[in-house]
Amino acid sequence: GQNIDQPTEMTATEGAIVQINCTYQTSGFNGLFWYQQHAGEAPTFLSYNVLDGLEEKGRFSSFLSRSKGYSYLLLKELQMKDSASYLCAVLDSNYQLIWGAGTKLIIKP
Amino acid sequence: IAGITQAPTSQILAAGRRMTLRCTQDMRHNAMYWYRQDLGLGLRLIHYSNTAGTTGKGEVPDGYSVSRANTDDFPLTLASAVPSQTSVYFCASSDSPDRAGGGHGYTFGSGTRLTVV
Repeated sequence: GQNIDQPTEMTATEGAIVQINCTYQTSGFNGLFWYQQHAGEAPTFLSYNVLDGLEEKGRFSSFLSRSKGYSYLLLKELQMKDSASYLCAVLDSNYQLIWGAGTKLIIKP
Repeated sequence: IAGITQAPTSQILAAGRRMTLRCTQDMRHNAMYWYRQDLGLGLRLIHYSNTAGTTGKGEVPDGYSVSRANTDDFPLTLASAVPSQTSVYFCASSDSPDRAGGGHGYTFGSGTRLTVV
């Protein structure tokens, strides 16, 4: 079966750095996405990785290792507004997005 | 309208009733999707449409039906609602069904919170 694992909840301090991990086992791979979802709102697109390596976009970076079935989202200089759930999703061989359950990130002052 | 509009925002529905959740996009995206999101679970695909006139079943299609008569609209119908269909429903779209829009991801509507009692 297809499976995406990410921690249920993480806590970090304002101004710090946090890394949210995602491991996946899917039938095929056509890219990995990270989305941010604030409570009661829709998911919004953060990043897309299809090749191994690090993609940097401002305070957010996303890393992919296809051989290890592993990705992480790195958030730097954390702000209170970064408190949200972060969803990892993989595009499988049928071009369907398979979603993890999400990681709830709590930022403390 | 900018992006995807879903209606209603929330609804309490008696079990056994029929309900249609509406979804309209103004981005001329080819592909559209319906997901449900339940606490502790990832988004689960109900139905999808790669282009107007075609639809397909996702991971959890039972009890739901869709139609795609034109590019903009993708309504989701619950023929006879049951309490297990209590969930938050998200409509999404992408400009191409493969590569989830060339790596730009999906655009989501703001969701419909449905409670079946």
